[in-house]
Amino acid sequence: EAGVAQSPRYKIIEKRQSVAFWCNPISGHATLYWYQQILGQGPKLLIQFQNNGVVDDSQLPKDRFSAERLKGVDSTLKIQPAKLEDSAVYLCASSLEQGSYEQYFGPGTRLTVT
Amino acid sequence: GNSVTQMEGPVTLSEEAFLTINCTYTATGYPSLFWYVQYPGEGLQLLLKATKADDKGSNKGFEATYRKETTSFHLEKGSVQVSDSAVYFCALSPNTGGFKTIFGAGTRLFVKA
Repeated sequence: EAGVAQSPRYKIIEKRQSVAFWCNPISGHATLYWYQQILGQGPKLLIQFQNNGVVDDSQLPKDRFSAERLKGVDSTLKIQPAKLEDSAVYLCASSLEQGSYEQYFGPGTRLTVT
Repeated sequence: GNSVTQMEGPVTLSEEAFLTINCTYTATGYPSLFWYVQYPGEGLQLLLKATKADDKGSNKGFEATYRKETTSFHLEKGSVQVSDSAVYFCALSPNTGGFKTIFGAGTRLFVKA
């Protein structure tokens, strides 16, 4: 089966610009996650979707970050405007359901904000 | 709140040495516990998991036992190989409530030939 797809793989922008990331999860997976991974740290959950609905977005900086999952499949994560501290790898993952189910990760998008 | 604490790295071992990477957690209830591995240039992938107390997860020679009494899930391997060089992440996922997965900071392992 195809894995989790993400694009772009790399992005360099200047601060105050906007950027969008795209994720296509594994077919049939109800749960989709966006994580931020800063160099040397573990992934930090930004937002978790169960089908179309948001389960948790408590660590999403809502003044600049937004995410949507239309029709319960693909998802986009947007940052507007970007700050220097947003430089990180943005990981998308999906799983069949929440809880004890394995998460499958995409390759990530490395964002550099200059 | 829930949290995961891993031993700091990097850990450097010679090939065929014994590996232990410590992981302890804080959680309400009975979460599921995971070890994920990230090889250089790749995304995270599940290494093993355990869903209840005293369960032992195992895969590719790695093992970890869910210890409720010590709130631990230490990763072990009897004989490491150069190809095991990677970053290892311990994680927990509650089985009730918000199901938010918490990852540890990761432990980088270097194995020398």
